[in-house]
Amino acid sequence: DGGITQSPKYLFRKEGQNVTLSCEQNLNHDAMYWYRQDPGQGLRLIYYSQIVNDFQKGDIAEGYSVSREKKESFPLTVTSAQKNPTAFYLCASSMSGLPTDTQYFGPGTRLTVL
Amino acid sequence: AQSVAQPEDQVNVAEGNPLTVKCTYSVSGNPYLFWYVQYPNRGLQFLLKYITGDNLVKGSYGFEAEFNKSQTSFHLKKPSALVSDSALYFCAVRDIGRNNDMRFGAGTRLTVKP
Repeated sequence: DGGITQSPKYLFRKEGQNVTLSCEQNLNHDAMYWYRQDPGQGLRLIYYSQIVNDFQKGDIAEGYSVSREKKESFPLTVTSAQKNPTAFYLCASSMSGLPTDTQYFGPGTRLTVL
Repeated sequence: AQSVAQPEDQVNVAEGNPLTVKCTYSVSGNPYLFWYVQYPNRGLQFLLKYITGDNLVKGSYGFEAEFNKSQTSFHLKKPSALVSDSALYFCAVRDIGRNNDMRFGAGTRLTVKP
């Protein structure tokens, strides 16, 4: 987990609320990613960013939004449009966006909708 | 489309015995293959990857994996299992033509019994 921090560790959201998950890295990596993990389904890509001020949708971007204003930060907002947001959210980074690069993961944020 | 399969949800081995966690993949081009491990409520930790070259890849904590192109497999192995190896293991694949799309398997839960 070293070099990538996510906060908070646990987050509870009421129906209809937007919440923002923080992801910060001090690895000087260009690329950052957000994944969602559900039991038995592995990880699914929500959004990724190869460079500051640019990001692309992944497989399950609906109901989520991101920004990349600084190289070290890639916050994820879970909006009220996301129908089933309860999940474990993982942020990752890699040196660049090349397919040979290793992605390194943060410790995760567990989001629960009340 | 690229995909990866982990055919076993659960693998049980006795401490000291060799372990194998299976992974098969499907890509249109040359595959880049990764293994990660996840402990409860934690992020993923990188174990090893295959990019090119020697089919036997050595990684962290005594793990190794063998790339088999004809069988499209990338099984994770360890000669002597430890109780502390008990965790969730993920295989992932990236395709040379898809820079930012890493596909994960559903995961295999390894339990090492003393």
